[in-house]
Amino acid sequence: QKEVEQDPGPLSVPEGAIVSLNCTYSNSAFQYFMWYRQYSRKGPELLMYTYSSGNKEDGRFTAQVDKSSKYISLFIRDSQPSDSATYLCAMSANGNNRLAFGKGNQVVVIP
Amino acid sequence: DAGVIQSPRHEVTEMGQEVTLRCKPISGHNSLFWYRQTMMRGLELLIYFNNNVPIDDSGMPEDRFSAKMPNASFSTLKIQPSEPRDSAVYFCASRKLAGDRGGVEQFFGPGTRLTVL
Repeated sequence: QKEVEQDPGPLSVPEGAIVSLNCTYSNSAFQYFMWYRQYSRKGPELLMYTYSSGNKEDGRFTAQVDKSSKYISLFIRDSQPSDSATYLCAMSANGNNRLAFGKGNQVVVIP
Repeated sequence: DAGVIQSPRHEVTEMGQEVTLRCKPISGHNSLFWYRQTMMRGLELLIYFNNNVPIDDSGMPEDRFSAKMPNASFSTLKIQPSEPRDSAVYFCASRKLAGDRGGVEQFFGPGTRLTVL
């Protein structure tokens, strides 16, 4: 079993729709949970970061962590064509250790 | 700051040739990572360094791969001999080690797209 599972299937949504992405993980030691956004032919960039359980909101983006279920989610409200990118979840047990990444979801927002 | 700098941006080589990828981390960062990204396997960590010292190289595929960090501002990833299955995008990332809640964010370079024919 991989440490982090993210269904890599592409997702196409109309502009204005809500995008829902999620990852599951197996390592109960993970405490730091991140979502990276990667535009085509670019390196990933940190989008959101959550420590331990709970929700975090930043504008149109909401990250949720449920440690009891080992499940994290990212929601994008009022999606825009500029949100079209690949979204990778990442997590770490210790802030100074390596990150374990999911395979990523390619999201396409259709105008 | 210029961000993480990688060179070359694209590399096309023939099977059996030596390939050297280069990375300059962000000034002041003391942790450096090498990743490989493919459609099939996603983003895989190959090796990472803290304060120029290799900490975990368990992701290095085999002895054909080697990485060095001779100083805080430069690292190389070498593949010798290269094989077609090494074709991928190779990313370098850096971060600043901090307290236990710090240093989480890794800053990625633009990547080197390697094609081995």
